Order: sequence, then C-alpha cells, then structure tokens
Amino acid sequence: DQQVKQNSPSLSVQEGRISILNCDYTNSMFDYFLWYKKYPAEGPTFLISISSIKDKNEDGRFTVFLNKSAKHLSLHIVPSQPGDSAVYFCAASPPNAGGTSYGKLTFGQGTILTVHP
Amino acid sequence: NAGVTQTPKFRVLKTGQSMTLLCAQDMNHEYMYWYRQDPGMGLRLIHYSVGEGTTAKGEVPDGYNVSRLKKQNFLLGLESAAPSQTSVYFCASSPHRGRKEKLFFGSGTQLSVL
Repeated sequence: DQQVKQNSPSLSVQEGRISILNCDYTNSMFDYFLWYKKYPAEGPTFLISISSIKDKNEDGRFTVFLNKSAKHLSLHIVPSQPGDSAVYFCAASPPNAGGTSYGKLTFGQGTILTVHP
Repeated sequence: NAGVTQTPKFRVLKTGQSMTLLCAQDMNHEYMYWYRQDPGMGLRLIHYSVGEGTTAKGEVPDGYNVSRLKKQNFLLGLESAAPSQTSVYFCASSPHRGRKEKLFFGSGTQLSVL
C-alpha cells in the first residue's frame, strides 16, 4: 500500500514557465513533508520542506503548498530553468516526538521534470 | 568535502553470492540509513542506525543484514543474493540535532543479480 503517491511519472515545461509537481498521501499521522531532487547518477538532495502546522513554505524559486484536509502537497518552481530538469521525490515523516521518527521517510515514486529551453 | 561515499558504484552478482556494500560519512552524523530504489516504487528503507553499535529494521529488511561498528561507517550485507535484490542502493545520513529528515545521500550503488 503506497502511502505517498506521485501520480504523474513525468512533466514537461517550457523554460520560464511554472512547474507544478503534485503529491498525495494517505497516512494522516504524517506531520513533516519534504521534496528531494535527484540528477542521474547522483543521490537525492534535499530541496525544501514543510511542517504540517503550515500551509506554505518558500525558498527562492521553490514553494511548497500543503493541503492537510485533502492530504495533498505540491511543489511550484517559478520560473523553471533547464537546470531544474531532474527527478523530484516527495517524502513524508511521522511525528518526531522524542526523536522516535529517527528520520525514517516514506517516499513517493518520483516525477521526472524536463524543462525545455 | 566528501559527504557520504558509497562503494562500489556498480556490481553484478550471481544468484546465491554474497557481498557487502560500504557507506562512509565524514560529517560526524549520528543517524545512517540504507534505502533501495526500484522503478515505480520510490525509495524504500531497508535498515537504519541511530548510533554506533545500533541497528534497526526498516520497511524492507528481509535478505539484508547491517552493521555499524564505527560511527562513520554503515555496512549493508547480502548473504545470498536473489534477482529480486536487483536495485539501486542509496546510503544516507543525518545529524542528531535539527530535523533528522533532511538526509544527505550518497551517489548510489547499482546492483544486478543474475
């Protein structure tokens, strides 16, 4: 049972336009969400995160939105650049009370983003 | 600044062979993890460690063993490899302080079991 789902395997966007990557989750106990970016032949790198007490977090061109009632989060990249072409994974973490989550993450399947010049 | 280093980068095994994947981090991180990535499945946690001398099972631990004898190293062992263990393996680490979910990943090991 996939608790974190990215239903779009791929997304193609023109340079300068907005890229919107979506992620849905089923476990209401998740309380911290992250996006990782992965280039070919490299490991994933942390991009941006959001706590369940917020509905939006911005970092430069990247904004993550969280809709808890819909169990949905999205990553907006504005403006998109060719260097943003990569696989994007969303991930979720259970409550970190007492450190018991230990950083264990549940990942989505990933979305391949291609930004065309 | 090496970060998280995985060796080897590629390996081909025959069914039933054994091997050990090595992960080393130079960031003095307490927590270390082994994930596997399969097409259409995302990354799944195999085993993790919250400190030197400790290990725990993750989501898909069967067929794997791990050891954390030194804080900087986390070894993943396959005692009798099976074709279902063909995958890309990622090691990761995170510091004790702050959000532990912000993982630092190695570049991966591509393992094929024939």
